[in-house]
Amino acid sequence: GAVVSQHPSWVICKSGTSVKIECRSLDFQATTMFWYRQFPKQSLMLMATSNEGSKATYEQGVEKDKFLINHASLTLSTLTVTSAHPEDSSFYICSATRGGFVGGYTFGSGTRLTVV
Amino acid sequence: GENVEQHPSTLSVQEGDSAVIKCTYSDSASNYFPWYKQELGKGPQLIIDIRSNVGEKKDQRIAVTLNKTAKHFSLHITETQPEDSAVYFCAASQNYGGSQGNLIFGKGTKLSVKP
Repeated sequence: GAVVSQHPSWVICKSGTSVKIECRSLDFQATTMFWYRQFPKQSLMLMATSNEGSKATYEQGVEKDKFLINHASLTLSTLTVTSAHPEDSSFYICSATRGGFVGGYTFGSGTRLTVV
Repeated sequence: GENVEQHPSTLSVQEGDSAVIKCTYSDSASNYFPWYKQELGKGPQLIIDIRSNVGEKKDQRIAVTLNKTAKHFSLHITETQPEDSAVYFCAASQNYGGSQGNLIFGKGTKLSVKP
């Protein structure tokens, strides 16, 4: 079945530094990848949608200069949290889809980011 | 845009009983409705999904029903077990997963199965 690998699973960083999170589709080519943010006891909120080779589409209220998304290949998307602050601490989850009639969405295992 | 409402927010059942979680959606163009189980500190895992051309789908103890007219879909878990305890999310999407098809999630239901 479709497998999405996300890492790191957790990271602690100092305020002002940048953190990169990787999302890889291991056994399929992902036409589109999605990045979500989840606060404790809340639902998943879509941050951005990225297609391979194109600029990401960000949801309203998400700072594109703070959350840099790169989708350089059909199997890899990265989210970089730049100049991280404590309020950026959250659980970040990626999802990938093959699109078309195959469809479906496969989620990564998530990354717990703590900014101190 | 699409809006997905999910009820109840918490559900507690005895082991062996059935659990039902209900969701409604607003956009009649949505045609793909997955259900995810999320355990603490992990990403969501797909447990069952249904497409708009089907009214019901079953996989062992889990079933999903879809009423397109009323725009609601439900998750049914029979013979619940303690390991079913988790947060369950419903979601809706406008297509099977193409570039326009981002998932809109409900707010989740915390299911607790008491031994």
